Amino acid sequence: DAGVTQSPTHLIKTRGQQVTLRCSPKSGHDTVSWYQQALGQGPQFIFQYYEEEERQRGNFPDRFSGHQFPNYSSELNVNALLLGDSALYLCASSFSGTSDSYNEQFFGPGTRLTVL
Amino acid sequence: QKEVEQDPGPLSVPEGAIVSLNCTYSNSAFQYFMWYRQYSRKGPELLMYTYSSGNKEDGRFTAQVDKSSKYISLFIRDSQPSDSATYLCAMSKYNFNKFYFGSGTKLNVKP
Repeated sequence: DAGVTQSPTHLIKTRGQQVTLRCSPKSGHDTVSWYQQALGQGPQFIFQYYEEEERQRGNFPDRFSGHQFPNYSSELNVNALLLGDSALYLCASSFSGTSDSYNEQFFGPGTRLTVL
Repeated sequence: QKEVEQDPGPLSVPEGAIVSLNCTYSNSAFQYFMWYRQYSRKGPELLMYTYSSGNKEDGRFTAQVDKSSKYISLFIRDSQPSDSATYLCAMSKYNFNKFYFGSGTKLNVKP
């Protein structure tokens, strides 16, 4: 089992550009959550996808959007990049069968985004 | 005020010590509590998951939840240099709710 995988590992963009990050969940998982982690801070919840729909969302602007595919993989898109978007973007997956399985969320290694 | 507060440390202890890591929270609606370990430049790794109040033990790790005080703890027994990492607490309010993370405590276990 490969666990949660994310691509790319690192990314450098300039202000105003758009970026797409990708996540493949752990085998058997159907729910994908995205987090933003600034340096020295804890992860901040961006949004969560289940059954190809956004189930809940954190306090992030509409510039942040996502998608979930039928195979449960997911993408995070960020438009009109700002310097403040520089962070580690983490994907977490879980199985929504029970509250216990849902709360055992497994994280990927993250994508480090630098906006210049 | 943040919903979840965590002392950033760093916390430095000698090998073999018992480590106590803590988080406080302000919202009594939190019911599910998690502890993650994060090594530098890596994703968080789930250590412990508990529901409501009480203790849970797994090897060298013990998680405690005191909902009356809005306080959770993670104890590490016989700490090892390999335990050196940032420890994050996380919590959620109801089934399938989003996670709220603390800012993390950096732990350094000296050989």
